[in-house]
Amino acid sequence: AQSVTQLGSHVSVSEGALVLLRCNYSSSVPPYLFWYVQYPNQGLQLLLKYTTGATLVKGINGFEAEFKKSETSFHLTKPSAHMSDAAEYFCAVSDRKTSYDKVIFGPGTSLSVIP
Amino acid sequence: GAGVSQTPSNKVTEKGKYVELRCDPISGHTALYWYRQSLGQGPEFLIYFQGTGAADDSGLPNDRFFAVRPEGSVSTLKIQRTERGDSAVYLCASSLNGNGPDTQYFGPGTRLTVL
Repeated sequence: AQSVTQLGSHVSVSEGALVLLRCNYSSSVPPYLFWYVQYPNQGLQLLLKYTTGATLVKGINGFEAEFKKSETSFHLTKPSAHMSDAAEYFCAVSDRKTSYDKVIFGPGTSLSVIP
Repeated sequence: GAGVSQTPSNKVTEKGKYVELRCDPISGHTALYWYRQSLGQGPEFLIYFQGTGAADDSGLPNDRFFAVRPEGSVSTLKIQRTERGDSAVYLCASSLNGNGPDTQYFGPGTRLTVL
């Protein structure tokens, strides 16, 4: 069965500092991987996704993530944090074995940005 | 174009009552998903519709939960004999056709509180 773990339920960074949110997954086959962001009182929004090909994926708002099969990881990074990045971030995995894109979400990491 | 909409945004009910939660997906999206998000958790899959049919309802917690999508567009999640443990945010998402790594577009959710 697929699962997703996110190390650190809460991460704080200073404005302008590197953002690193960790995600590890378990899957019997190479999965599709996603990062979603949830701003306060808003719906989840896709940041980026890995499907196939290049393992470094660039998303919106300056975020990127790298798929590392050997480490079963898909960590999310941003070189310089902005106040507007404060939100809840969810890593998710979709098992290619299913006939549709059933997505399993991790527990989330709350990002705070300190001025 | 319009995104996924959900009504009501908030619903407060008493234990034992019946509730209906509505989801309007993006026009033309054949795939529709319901998730439940408890405080401090990631979204938990409930049910997936492809067109009018429930292709996967394995996430529904018990037979008090039921969902329909009679015309392949709007969907209603129905909860009978509500319990305090049903309190959560119920999220709806839609995607173009549910195949492969389609992006799922989420609505803002319905916050259900069972007193």
